[in-house]
Amino acid sequence: DTGVSQDPRHKITKRGQNVTFRCDPISEHNRLYWYRQTLGQGPEFLTYFQNEAQLEKSRLLSDRFSAERPKGSFSTLEIQRTEQGDSAMYLCASSETGSHSPLHFGNGTRLTVT
Amino acid sequence: KQEVTQIPAALSVPEGENLVLNCSFTDSAIYNLQWFRQDPGKGLTSLLLIQSSQREQTSGRLNASLDKSSGRSTLYIAASQPGDSATYLCTGGFNKFYFGSGTKLNVKP
Repeated sequence: DTGVSQDPRHKITKRGQNVTFRCDPISEHNRLYWYRQTLGQGPEFLTYFQNEAQLEKSRLLSDRFSAERPKGSFSTLEIQRTEQGDSAMYLCASSETGSHSPLHFGNGTRLTVT
Repeated sequence: KQEVTQIPAALSVPEGENLVLNCSFTDSAIYNLQWFRQDPGKGLTSLLLIQSSQREQTSGRLNASLDKSSGRSTLYIAASQPGDSATYLCTGGFNKFYFGSGTKLNVKP
């Protein structure tokens, strides 16, 4: 068990550029979650997957955001045409399918849009 | 949507004090309640998970309780230490998990 891994740790980009983040969950964890966290706030739910199926997407997530988990293992989160308001920490978590399975978080990707 | 509220928002105590952090949630249809700590710039570290059929869980100096009927959970930290300084977050859910803004704890030496 190597934990949830996120890459990159930090990303600085100019407004209008596209960015993509990667999350590698704990192996054999069927569920994968993406959250966004701004300073002083708790994590905000974005979307989650059961294997390769994206089961729910927050209404807060604009059309510029897309997430995939093509083979039910790692996941990517892409933000198109970034805006300064997208600056935040993007966190990934995974869990087993069972109803009482705990969430395990990665260390996040810090995005700064200049 | 599950609404999670944590009180207090911030807490500063001298080393050695026992303290209680509170978490309330609006939807009692949860599978479990999980407490995390978060150090600045880092991800969330799981502390305790209470299954919906349980009333409490203990790990070392930490004890968490769950009252589903009232929609509340408490995290009790005994004999606090400066290393306990962090933000503490709780979440309860069914398939999705929502968070409050957390309690920022500062334990002074």
